[in-house]
Amino acid sequence: KAGVTQTPRYLIKTRGQQVTLSCSPISGHRSVSWYQQTPGQGLQFLFEYFSETQRNKGNFPGRFSGRQFSNSRSEMNVSTLELGDSALYLCASSSGRGRGRGIETQYFGPGTRLLVL
Amino acid sequence: DQQVKQNSPSLSVQEGRISILNCDYTNSMFDYFLWYKKYPAEGPTFLISISSIKDKNEDGRFTVFLNKSAKHLSLHIVPSQPGDSAVYFCAASSYGNNRLAFGKGNQVVVIP
Repeated sequence: KAGVTQTPRYLIKTRGQQVTLSCSPISGHRSVSWYQQTPGQGLQFLFEYFSETQRNKGNFPGRFSGRQFSNSRSEMNVSTLELGDSALYLCASSSGRGRGRGIETQYFGPGTRLLVL
Repeated sequence: DQQVKQNSPSLSVQEGRISILNCDYTNSMFDYFLWYKKYPAEGPTFLISISSIKDKNEDGRFTVFLNKSAKHLSLHIVPSQPGDSAVYFCAASSYGNNRLAFGKGNQVVVIP
């Protein structure tokens, strides 16, 4: 099975711009989560999508948004970019069948490195 | 508020010896714990997990121990190999919730 793929791998933007990142989960996986990794804050949860619905959200401002399509692919968007948004953005997928029934392992993609100038 | 803590940011160990990584958590609602390994410029790779109903889980060279009363878990790698040199993250989630809380990571260097 192919793993989680993310595009693009690297991105340079300037302050005030917006950006869209894409994630394709492992085939058959219906849950997609997004995380931000920075040197200061580490890995932080952004949001999770399951069956095209956001079912969990982290503590990030509304400039960070996402969506999921019927084929489980997901996109996240950051509007009005700030310097502090420079980070590695990671997408993770899981089967989505674990909710309410316990453990579920998330598998990560390689990430998109975003640099905001 | 760091709910998952990994102290001792770096660890150096001789090839063939045991590597022990520790992780503490504060949220008593956590009931599923995972360890990931991460190389530079790559995403985290899943290593091993443990449910709160167990106190030990083993997979090849990797063993995770969970002490719920102490809110502490550890990862043992035996024997350590040079390819194990990476950053290791401890993560936790609550029942029925995919939101993972991560520690800051431990850098492991295995010396040949």
